[in-house]
Amino acid sequence: AQSVAQPEDQVNVAEGNPLTVKCTYSVSGNPYLFWYVQYPNRGLQFLLKYITGDNLVKGSYGFEAEFNKSQTSFHLKKPSALVSDSALYFCAVRPHSGAGSYQLTFGKGTKLSVIP
Amino acid sequence: KAGVTQTPRYLIKTRGQQVTLSCSPISGHRSVSWYQQTPGQGLQFLFEYFSETQRNKGNFPGRFSGRQFSNSRSEMNVSTLELGDSALYLCASSPGTTTYEQYFGPGTRLTVT
Repeated sequence: AQSVAQPEDQVNVAEGNPLTVKCTYSVSGNPYLFWYVQYPNRGLQFLLKYITGDNLVKGSYGFEAEFNKSQTSFHLKKPSALVSDSALYFCAVRPHSGAGSYQLTFGKGTKLSVIP
Repeated sequence: KAGVTQTPRYLIKTRGQQVTLSCSPISGHRSVSWYQQTPGQGLQFLFEYFSETQRNKGNFPGRFSGRQFSNSRSEMNVSTLELGDSALYLCASSPGTTTYEQYFGPGTRLTVT
């Protein structure tokens, strides 16, 4: 079975500073990895994904993530945080094949607060 | 393209009742997945449908069921509601292959009293 860990419940960062939201995963075989963001009382919005190829993935709103196979990590990063980035961030994984490939397994989420 | 739509957006039910939630996927998407989101358990997978067939089911009791219609619209049903079923129920659609991301609707907030 696959699993995702987001070790920080909350991350605080000053506006203009770089931000990192951490994610590690466990899955049989190769993973497909995703980051989503959720604003209050809203559904999840897709940010970016890693399928294969370049380990550095660029996504929406200036976010990027780096896939590290040896550390089984997929940390989300942004060079300069905005107050509007404050939200709940979810990392998710699905395996390439098998029954579990039809579902996303999510981490518990990390609340990002960007302080003006 | 219109996004994923879910109806109703809010629902209040009493213990023991049943409820049906509806999801309309993005046009052309054939896969629909359902998730339950609660503060304590986070996001948990309920089931996924593709071309009217359930391909995968999460670890939920049989009171939770779903179906998909030929136009890809999906419904989920919860029978004999319990207080613990209070949650945000999210529907997501994708073209169908596993490389694609899922696009989520705004959710249905179910409150069981």
